[in-house]
Amino acid sequence: AQKVTQAQTEISVVEKEDVTLDCVYETRDTTYYLFWYKQPPSGELVFLIRRNSFDEQNEISGRYSWNFQKSTSSFNFTITASQVVDSAVYFCALSEAPTNAGKSTFGDGTTLTVKP
Amino acid sequence: NAGVTQTPKFRVLKTGQSMTLLCAQDMNHEYMYWYRQDPGMGLRLIHYSVGEGTTAKGEVPDGYNVSRLKKQNFLLGLESAAPSQTSVYFCASSYDLSISYEQYFGPGTRLTVT
Repeated sequence: AQKVTQAQTEISVVEKEDVTLDCVYETRDTTYYLFWYKQPPSGELVFLIRRNSFDEQNEISGRYSWNFQKSTSSFNFTITASQVVDSAVYFCALSEAPTNAGKSTFGDGTTLTVKP
Repeated sequence: NAGVTQTPKFRVLKTGQSMTLLCAQDMNHEYMYWYRQDPGMGLRLIHYSVGEGTTAKGEVPDGYNVSRLKKQNFLLGLESAAPSQTSVYFCASSYDLSISYEQYFGPGTRLTVT
């Protein structure tokens, strides 16, 4: 069975600090996808990134970067120079598609608070 | 495109009442999903559908039923609501898995059962 663990329940930083959100996953499949979603206070879920199990290249998008390491089953998310607008709940998710009809298993989320 | 829409946005039910949540998508997606989100927890899959006319159980299906009579719509029904079903419900859809695995989410429905 697949499982996603986000050990950090809450993180609080001061604006402009860098922050890393941890995600550890478990799966028996060799083909799988990892996701990060953002849920701002307004409640909607915003897709941030998808990574497949065959691509371990790190990715950078503006202030966001992702570190995927199969050896440690981790897919960590770093925000550089955090801003107040980054305050949200962040979810990591795993999908064992195509064997699992694209269903995703979500972690419990990390609540990030960025203080001015 | 409206993307994924959910109706209603808020609802309060009394124990034992029934209701149907409607999810609609205009992206011609094959796959649709219903999740619930409880405080401090991630999303848990209730039911899903891999195409028109098909449905399957997810992680927490008890107390819910679904139907997918039209490709663009996915209905979630509560036949006899219980306080344990107080939650925020999210619908999502995705393309055929050969194209993309990203799920597009609706804005959510906040349901309170008293």
